[in-house]
Amino acid sequence: GEDVEQSLFLSVREGDSSVINCTYTDSSSTYLYWYKQEPGAGLQLLTYIFSNMDMKQDQRLTVLLNKKDKHLSLRIADTQTGDSAIYFCAESGGSYIPTFGRGTSLIVHP
Amino acid sequence: ETGVTQSPTHLIKTRGQQVTLRCSSQSGHNTVSWYQQALGQGPQFIFQYYREEENGRGNFPPRFSGLQFPNYSSELNVNALELDDSALYLCASSSDPDNTDTQYFGPGTRLTVL
Repeated sequence: GEDVEQSLFLSVREGDSSVINCTYTDSSSTYLYWYKQEPGAGLQLLTYIFSNMDMKQDQRLTVLLNKKDKHLSLRIADTQTGDSAIYFCAESGGSYIPTFGRGTSLIVHP
Repeated sequence: ETGVTQSPTHLIKTRGQQVTLRCSSQSGHNTVSWYQQALGQGPQFIFQYYREEENGRGNFPPRFSGLQFPNYSSELNVNALELDDSALYLCASSSDPDNTDTQYFGPGTRLTVL
């Protein structure tokens, strides 16, 4: 079945860039997503990329997709303390139902 | 603020009991999906409802059931609760089943089974 893997923790200094990595196994993935979850809150869709793209930029967020290696990354430029949260990578194929990774806890310290 | 609300916020039940969780979708959204998020895990898809009919199901037993109503509200029912059912339950609405890129999540209901 589908599998999405992420590292569990990332710690960065305020103002630095954060890069969160994700690998997936489903070669028929159509959409790849990044979601943010703050404590006590639901999921917020940050951005998504179609599988036929290799990069998408949206303000401070840059998504890179290496379809050959099934590797997805999210770069957050000028990371702020308000970016501290859990970030979930997810993919969906023809069913359009996302399969989520376990999430990466991003800790931003001054 | 996504416009998707869930109730209750928190709930405590005991093993063997039944529970009903509620979700109010964004106006105009005819598709609702339910997810279970255990502590330290990503959300796991339970099922999806589209126009009041089940439109896909994840790997969950039949004691997990749902309903969707014409007024954009929906329910998740869980019978014969088990300790492992303790989790955050999330609903997400979208304008149609093919639009997960515009799927909006509610804040969730935290269920604790003792």
